[in-house]
Amino acid sequence: TQLLEQSPQFLSIQEGENLTVYCNSSSVFSSLQWYRQEPGEGPVLLVTVVTGGEVKKLKRLTFQFGDARKDSSLHITAAQPGDTGLYLCAGANFGNEKLTFGTGTRLTIIP
Amino acid sequence: KAGVTQTPRYLIKTRGQQVTLSCSPISGHRSVSWYQQTPGQGLQFLFEYFSETQRNKGNFPGRFSGRQFSNSRSEMNVSTLELGDSALYLCASSLVTSVSEQFFGPGTRLTVL
Repeated sequence: TQLLEQSPQFLSIQEGENLTVYCNSSSVFSSLQWYRQEPGEGPVLLVTVVTGGEVKKLKRLTFQFGDARKDSSLHITAAQPGDTGLYLCAGANFGNEKLTFGTGTRLTIIP
Repeated sequence: KAGVTQTPRYLIKTRGQQVTLSCSPISGHRSVSWYQQTPGQGLQFLFEYFSETQRNKGNFPGRFSGRQFSNSRSEMNVSTLELGDSALYLCASSLVTSVSEQFFGPGTRLTVL
């Protein structure tokens, strides 16, 4: 079974601080997605990275796919309370078109 | 454009019963995937349907089944419910495949007593 480990599991920081969330696996993925889920709702896709070493920016969020396509990171600059939520990474397997979700990072931004 | 809708939103059942959950995808989306989310196991893939055919399946027992109708609406059925089936069941739709952009519904919270 492929595993995607996310760290940290929980993170609570003050508004305005920077943070990085990690998503690691021993498996190679064809692409990797990041989602944010808020209470009572389903996950919402933030970004998809496809190429090893790829960096994508979404306002204050920066996503990076590892060179070997086994890991990814999400960096948030100047965190805001609206960034609070459960962040999930999900890797797509070559060939079988299935997504494996990570263990999740629960982020709380304190005003 | 309306999002993915799931019914019911909340459900309470007892062990041994069966349950059917419903998902209406975004108009034009042909792929519907189902996931189980629990605090202990996280978000796990159940199965994916495309054009009324199951295209992919996760590692769940045969008590979990699904189907898709010609209008792309999908249902998921769990028979002989166990306490461990208590979870948030999420449905996601996409145009072609689950590894392309997926849109999730709000989920059905199932509690098994």
